[in-house]
Amino acid sequence: GAVVSQHPSWVICKSGTSVKIECRSLDFQATTMFWYRQFPKQSLMLMATSNEGSKATYEQGVEKDKFLINHASLTLSTLTVTSAHPEDSSFYICSARVGGLAYNEQFFGPGTRLTVL
Amino acid sequence: AQSVAQPEDQVNVAEGNPLTVKCTYSVSGNPYLFWYVQYPNRGLQFLLKYITGDNLVKGSYGFEAEFNKSQTSFHLKKPSALVSDSALYFCAVRDMNGNNRLAFGKGNQVVVIP
Repeated sequence: GAVVSQHPSWVICKSGTSVKIECRSLDFQATTMFWYRQFPKQSLMLMATSNEGSKATYEQGVEKDKFLINHASLTLSTLTVTSAHPEDSSFYICSARVGGLAYNEQFFGPGTRLTVL
Repeated sequence: AQSVAQPEDQVNVAEGNPLTVKCTYSVSGNPYLFWYVQYPNRGLQFLLKYITGDNLVKGSYGFEAEFNKSQTSFHLKKPSALVSDSALYFCAVRDMNGNNRLAFGKGNQVVVIP
């Protein structure tokens, strides 16, 4: 099956620093990747949708200058949390869709636990 | 916009008993429906999906779901629950005619009691 990896699986950083999270589709090419944020015992909140080679589309209320998304290739998307603060601490999950059709399922990475001190 | 409701916060079931996790949806057009499972500190794993055709969909790990258009429901079922099925289950819907976003329900914690 389709495998999506994320790196790192967890990261602890000081307030004010930037953190980059990588999302890779290991055995397929992902035209579209998605970034989600999940708070404890809550559902996934879509942050942005990125298509390879173009700018990401951010959801309302998500600061694009704070959460920089780059989708430079069909197998790699990165999320950079700039000038992180404690309120950015969360579980970040990326997802990739196999193919470009709406009924194709999305496959999810294992998530990255970010803790900002 | 599409939305999903998972009315129960937690579902408790004894091992070996049938498991049902409820989901209702709202879309403007025809829905694509999905179920995912999440184990602690892990990403979501795909279980099954409904696109069209047979209303009963079979998926991974013995799970199945029944699409009911008149009740706008897509309940997840398993005939005999295992302790290892204890996890967080998410229903999701994508509107065929909509904005292509996958809308998730709030999730249901399933606890299978040995």
